[in-house]
Amino acid sequence: EDQVTQSPEALRLQEGESSSLNCSYTVSGLRGLFWYRQDPGKGPEFLFTLYSAGEEKEKERLKATLTKKESFLHITAPKPEDSATYLCAVQDPGTYKYIFGTGTRLKVLA
Amino acid sequence: DTAVSQTPKYLVTQMGNDKSIKCEQNLGHDTMYWYKQDSKKFLKIMFSYNNKELIINETVPNRFSPKSPDKAHLNLHINSLELGDSAVYFCASSQTGNSPLHFGNGTRLTVT
Repeated sequence: EDQVTQSPEALRLQEGESSSLNCSYTVSGLRGLFWYRQDPGKGPEFLFTLYSAGEEKEKERLKATLTKKESFLHITAPKPEDSATYLCAVQDPGTYKYIFGTGTRLKVLA
Repeated sequence: DTAVSQTPKYLVTQMGNDKSIKCEQNLGHDTMYWYKQDSKKFLKIMFSYNNKELIINETVPNRFSPKSPDKAHLNLHINSLELGDSAVYFCASSQTGNSPLHFGNGTRLTVT
């Protein structure tokens, strides 16, 4: 069965302290890996799509990368407003379902 | 100009009642979804409709019945509510293929 695992579950950073979040997946024939940000009381907000190994996408302090088995979301010099839960998802090539990981809760302290 | 909107935002009801959640999207997408998010923030697919046709129907109790009157609307009706139905329900939409999901802001359902 397709699985998506995110680590760590929770991460506390000081403002300006760069780090990476991990998303590993077992689906074969990846159709797309998606990163989302979710703030409390809101729906997940789309950040990036990655389709093939070696691909990278950037947006402000965030950079997403993809290998054949995992993706990283690098956060450079984070600010308190980057605090949120970050979710990744993959699309199952057979059923077209989007399968989500359990997320990483990021807290950036001023 | 909200892209995916769902109502109500909060729903508090008693066990045994029947309730509905409505969702509308103005993105022109042809596929819509219902997801359930539990207290640990895990998002699990419940249903998906493509152009009003049910294409994904997970192992959800048949007390849950989705309805899509047109490709811009997807509603969720829940009969005989149980305590375990308490969760946040998200509507989402996407274009067919491997494009990203766009979510509404959720409906927090509390069954007492």
